[in-house]
Amino acid sequence: IAGITQAPTSQILAAGRRMTLRCTQDMRHNAMYWYRQDLGLGLRLIHYSNTAGTTGKGEVPDGYSVSRANTDDFPLTLASAVPSQTSVYFCASSDLPGQGPSEAFFGQGTRLTVV
Amino acid sequence: RKEVEQDPGPFNVPEGATVAFNCTYSNSASQSFFWYRQDCRKEPKLLMSVYSSGNEDGRFTAQLNRASQYISLLIRDSKLSDSATYLCVVNRAGGGNKLTFGTGTQLKVEL
Repeated sequence: IAGITQAPTSQILAAGRRMTLRCTQDMRHNAMYWYRQDLGLGLRLIHYSNTAGTTGKGEVPDGYSVSRANTDDFPLTLASAVPSQTSVYFCASSDLPGQGPSEAFFGQGTRLTVV
Repeated sequence: RKEVEQDPGPFNVPEGATVAFNCTYSNSASQSFFWYRQDCRKEPKLLMSVYSSGNEDGRFTAQLNRASQYISLLIRDSKLSDSATYLCVVNRAGGGNKLTFGTGTQLKVEL
């Protein structure tokens, strides 16, 4: 089934530990994104990538890093987790807009708790 | 000021009612507009794109007013299954497809 897959689905992580959230899509979309969703704040963009080999910072990039070695994968790394990074993380992908708006497809989310 | 603003609700309506959600955006250079639906503890999914001339998809009608920087979603004949959070989404001009989300409006349709 085509789509976008995230792993793990949930994780409890000790503060100070390093963690990589995985995201893979098989739709051959150029663009990929990481969002975090917090109550009352909605979805906020962490990092994005318009094409393999390039990445950019979103609204809340501090404490996170990403890489885009190929079209399909877009891992998000927390180098040293802090409790404020407790959130639900969504990965998404889309084609870059051409003639019109392009739909973003989301993974099922990763619920991360930093203790 | 948030880039995309929505009334968080909740909107509690009886089945069969008509309900309207509004959204305002601050960046006049925004080019593309969407409504996404998010069910509890699930990922957001595209409900419909919003076009300048307005568009309809079954019971759902979306309107865009660029002059007022205002987007609306109208749901007619509400169903229990319409209960969800509705996210207003704006695509800023330039730099790829960086979608900016409103915080969402919660709808509860009741018997």
